[in-house]
Amino acid sequence: GDSVTQMEGPVTLSEEAFLTINCTYTATGYPSLFWYVQYPGEGLQLLLKATKADDKGSNKGFEATYRKETTSFHLEKGSVQVSDSAVYFCALSGGSGSARQLTFGSGTQLTVLP
Amino acid sequence: DAGITQSPRYKITETGRQVTLMCHQTWSHSYMFWYRQDLGHGLRLIYYSAAADITDKGEVPDGYVVSRSKTENFPLTLESATRSQTSVYFCASSERVNNQPQHFGDGTRLSIL
Repeated sequence: GDSVTQMEGPVTLSEEAFLTINCTYTATGYPSLFWYVQYPGEGLQLLLKATKADDKGSNKGFEATYRKETTSFHLEKGSVQVSDSAVYFCALSGGSGSARQLTFGSGTQLTVLP
Repeated sequence: DAGITQSPRYKITETGRQVTLMCHQTWSHSYMFWYRQDLGHGLRLIYYSAAADITDKGEVPDGYVVSRSKTENFPLTLESATRSQTSVYFCASSERVNNQPQHFGDGTRLSIL
């Protein structure tokens, strides 16, 4: 079946540092890939998505590129802020499972210090 | 306001009790989902529904029951709660079109003593 593997957390950075959170996936077919963010006490919010190879999703300064050759969808931000502190989840849909079901990674806790 | 709401936000109950978690969405989305979130596991799908009166099992359905008599509501029932069902539960919805993002509620934190 489909699976998503994220880098182990927690990750602690200073404000304005560069962020990379690694995500790799295993899936058949042509899945869509997503990054979700969860702020404390809240549900998950879609951060960005990419639906085909070489697509780049971007939002709020975050970017991720769908790399089919390396089955990766790493999340990056050039300069993090304290307000970016949250848990980040990589997810996919439309692989061997239903196009409407999401398979999530285990999440990466990010803490940004002032 | 449009959105997806879950109730209650917090619930404490005892083993063996029945408990129902409510989920309501105002977008008229066809698909609705229930997940549980546990440390180290991310989110795991419990049940989902493609439309009113159509439901199907996800990855971890044992011990849970769902129904969907109306498009906007998707309650999740634990018929006889166990301590292993202590978790944070999230409801989500999405449109019918393939690979659309899911929209999540704020979650219900359930503790079973």
